[in-house]
Amino acid sequence: DVKVTQSSRYLVKRTGEKVFLECVQDMDHENMFWYRQDPGLGLRLIYFSYDVKMKEKGDIPEGYSVSREKKERFSLILESASTNQTSMYLCASRAAGVNTEAFFGQGTRLTVV
Amino acid sequence: GENVEQHPSTLSVQEGDSAVIKCTYSDSASNYFPWYKQELGKGPQLIIDIRSNVGEKKDQRIAVTLNKTAKHFSLHITETQPEDSAVYFCAEGYGDSWGKLQFGAGTQVVVTP
Repeated sequence: DVKVTQSSRYLVKRTGEKVFLECVQDMDHENMFWYRQDPGLGLRLIYFSYDVKMKEKGDIPEGYSVSREKKERFSLILESASTNQTSMYLCASRAAGVNTEAFFGQGTRLTVV
Repeated sequence: GENVEQHPSTLSVQEGDSAVIKCTYSDSASNYFPWYKQELGKGPQLIIDIRSNVGEKKDQRIAVTLNKTAKHFSLHITETQPEDSAVYFCAEGYGDSWGKLQFGAGTQVVVTP
């Protein structure tokens, strides 16, 4: 059974804290993604990575950074958390190639107070 | 990426009836159109997809149709059951090796017994 695992289901952090969201996949996929899910806005792409140490900005990268030191792990970093970053965060991975299936983690519900 | 418009935002159907969700896109370069189902507390999961060289695809009670000229595609669920209750997302892809997907805002489907 293929898996994308996010390290936390729920997180509560204070404004200004540095926050790390971790994602691990066991499918040897080249591509990994971080999305943010908000009601009425669907899934919006924050950052993605197509190889170790490679990253590209998505549609809403401001206030976020990412790290991919190993192929199976993709981390999302909130440098200084703000209340408007309260959201559901979803990690996904896909094999390289055209039109492959994306597999999602279960999500991390982050609340910034 | 270009926007994907998804309608309706909520859909309530009686068990046994059909449900239809429609999406429109604007990028003529898009050639991959997956549909994801997200159950409560879980990440989205692929349920069906269609590529631009196909007009219709069916998998048991689920079907997807694509009209490339009009740039819209639809999800059809027949003989709905309570377990079909979920949020459904359409998406468009560009066939690049990075595998970026642009998602619609989602449709909350409620199937009432």
